Amino acid sequence: AQKVTQTQTSISVMEKTTVTMDCVYETRDSSYFLFWYKQTASGEIVFLIRQDSYKKENATEGHYSLNFQKPKSSIGLIITATQIEDSAVYFCAMRPYTGYQNFYFGKGTSLTVIP
Amino acid sequence: DPKIIQKPKYLVAVTGSEKILICEQYLGHNAMYWYRQSAKKPLEFMFSYSYQKLMDNQTASSRFQPQSSKKNHLDLQITALKPDDSATYFCASSQNWGGQDTQYFGPGTRLLVL
Repeated sequence: AQKVTQTQTSISVMEKTTVTMDCVYETRDSSYFLFWYKQTASGEIVFLIRQDSYKKENATEGHYSLNFQKPKSSIGLIITATQIEDSAVYFCAMRPYTGYQNFYFGKGTSLTVIP
Repeated sequence: DPKIIQKPKYLVAVTGSEKILICEQYLGHNAMYWYRQSAKKPLEFMFSYSYQKLMDNQTASSRFQPQSSKKNHLDLQITALKPDDSATYFCASSQNWGGQDTQYFGPGTRLLVL
């Protein structure tokens, strides 16, 4: 079965600090793609960063980076120097390389950045 | 300029009626998708299209029918509406229909069925 689990329902951090959001996934596929999106208060869903399972190097994009631990089926999102506008709900998603091309989304983690 | 347009932004319907949700993308993508987000569930995949061809349907109900009149259009017709259909419906697109292609989401249509 394909499944994505985000155990942290909400996190609060002080502005300019670093936060890590957890995500674990289940898949039978040997190749897959992992994505993080954020959903703003207005409802907009914005792509942030992705990790291809065959790449050993952790992806980085601006002040977003990933902690990919394939043996643990884990893909954590790290946000450094958090800003107020980073307050949003963050979704982890997985898409297998073969078979059904669905995105499997986690339930999301709500991040509040406190000034 | 918005690259993925969804209309309308909000929609109120009565039980038993029929509505069409509009989606147009101007990213030059070949694949389009529909997702649903309700309060009780995470984002749920509904349909995927590639070059106007249905690739996958994970919606159990035939009341939901996607319609693609052009490569950059993928509308969603919902018939015999029920209160449980109340949700935000997101359209998405990707360059191609492949696991490696990132999907980009539209702003959503918020549907309320009374």
